[in-house]
Amino acid sequence: QSVLTQPPSVSGAPGQRVTISCSGNSSNIGSGYDVHWYQRLPGAAPKLLIYLNTHRPSGVPDRVSGSRSGISASLAITGLQAEDEAEYFCQSYDSSLSASVFGGGTQLTVL
Amino acid sequence: EVQLLESGGGLIQPGGSLRLSCAASGFNFRDFAMAWIRQTPGKGLEWVSAISAAGDSTYYADSVKGRFTISRDNFRRTVHLQMNSLGAADSGVFHCAKTSGGYVTSFYYFEFWGQGSLVTVSS
Repeated sequence: QSVLTQPPSVSGAPGQRVTISCSGNSSNIGSGYDVHWYQRLPGAAPKLLIYLNTHRPSGVPDRVSGSRSGISASLAITGLQAEDEAEYFCQSYDSSLSASVFGGGTQLTVL
Repeated sequence: EVQLLESGGGLIQPGGSLRLSCAASGFNFRDFAMAWIRQTPGKGLEWVSAISAAGDSTYYADSVKGRFTISRDNFRRTVHLQMNSLGAADSGVFHCAKTSGGYVTSFYYFEFWGQGSLVTVSS
């Protein structure tokens, strides 16, 4: 059981907008700790997608965005493309565990 | 181009030991903290351990504390994870990751990941 909670799967048609939620508690996201997002394409290593809640690394398109509010965070992808089909993970810090923690991952399917 | 290449995984019997290594290239290795993250089908991603850029501070998940030891060689640009008293729950793909800074902090993240090394603990 992961510390951060994500939906197991989401889906959307090409061109649509999808969001992936990441829910924590008062020991992690709710305490103001930053949230980061990673994308894992089939057979590849995870790749940093969003850091410090809202920032995109070089090379990540601006149709990908992140936000954080209260005890949760969200990843949004607009203009969905087939290449977005992957697994997405959120990560934050948990003060009660003194450790980085991850969500269980969300499989995005492009219909 | 940042590259992280893990090695040392394999099949090991319960109670055994393994030493994972990660060879880094493409960035100033001695300036960045490094981490190991485990990926398992049942538990997803789990942070295992981290080490500061200078190697003078180490951190461990409760599940591996006292059994695993992380170390680094800044001259050889490698980071290691010595794993002892292995059990079935330790099985998984171990990823080496470059973090976002020199210190292990509450706001650091994992900028680049290696492909991972598979560890299977089974009799």
